[in-house]
Amino acid sequence: GQQVMQIPQYQHVQEGEDFTTYCNSSTTLSNIQWYKQRPGGHPVFLIQLVKSGEVKKQKRLTFQFGEAKKNSSLHITATQTTDVGTYFCAGRRIIQGAQKLVFGQGTRLTINP
Amino acid sequence: DVKVTQSSRYLVKRTGEKVFLECVQDMDHENMFWYRQDPGLGLRLIYFSYDVKMKEKGDIPEGYSVSREKKERFSLILESASTNQTSMYLCASSPLRLRGYGYTFGSGTRLTVV
Repeated sequence: GQQVMQIPQYQHVQEGEDFTTYCNSSTTLSNIQWYKQRPGGHPVFLIQLVKSGEVKKQKRLTFQFGEAKKNSSLHITATQTTDVGTYFCAGRRIIQGAQKLVFGQGTRLTINP
Repeated sequence: DVKVTQSSRYLVKRTGEKVFLECVQDMDHENMFWYRQDPGLGLRLIYFSYDVKMKEKGDIPEGYSVSREKKERFSLILESASTNQTSMYLCASSPLRLRGYGYTFGSGTRLTVV
């Protein structure tokens, strides 16, 4: 079945450093979504990318979707302690007419203040 | 504010018990999902439903069943709980066509089977 791999599994940075997490799929994705889960919380939707080569920004967060629509990345510039959490990518597939998301394993970001 | 509500935040059950996890959404979403979350494995889909009384197996349905008698409610049932079902269970919902919107997750139920 379709697999979505995400690296790294863990990342520890100093506050103010940049952070990037990468997502790779074994098959072409129709779109990809990104979620953030704060410690003790539940995943919260951040953004969806649909077009090949698409780049979207949310303040210090930059999301990219690869040209082949098989990979994606999330880059955070100048991390802050509020960025702590686990970031998940999720690729979309359709089964029996229903949209299902296949999640990556997540990247857990910790920050030294 | 849209909500997905899971009935229990924490549950402790004994091996062999039948366990019900309840999920209710107030957004009139067609799709509902049950995931389990384990360290290093991310979110894995157990079952999903795209309509009342409809259900489809996800990637790890063994040992679980579901019920969707009303549009707003999706229940996960552990027929005979086992220790390897100790996990965080997350319910989510979405409209039939995402239109740029992601899943809305509940706060999760941390189940411990002893």
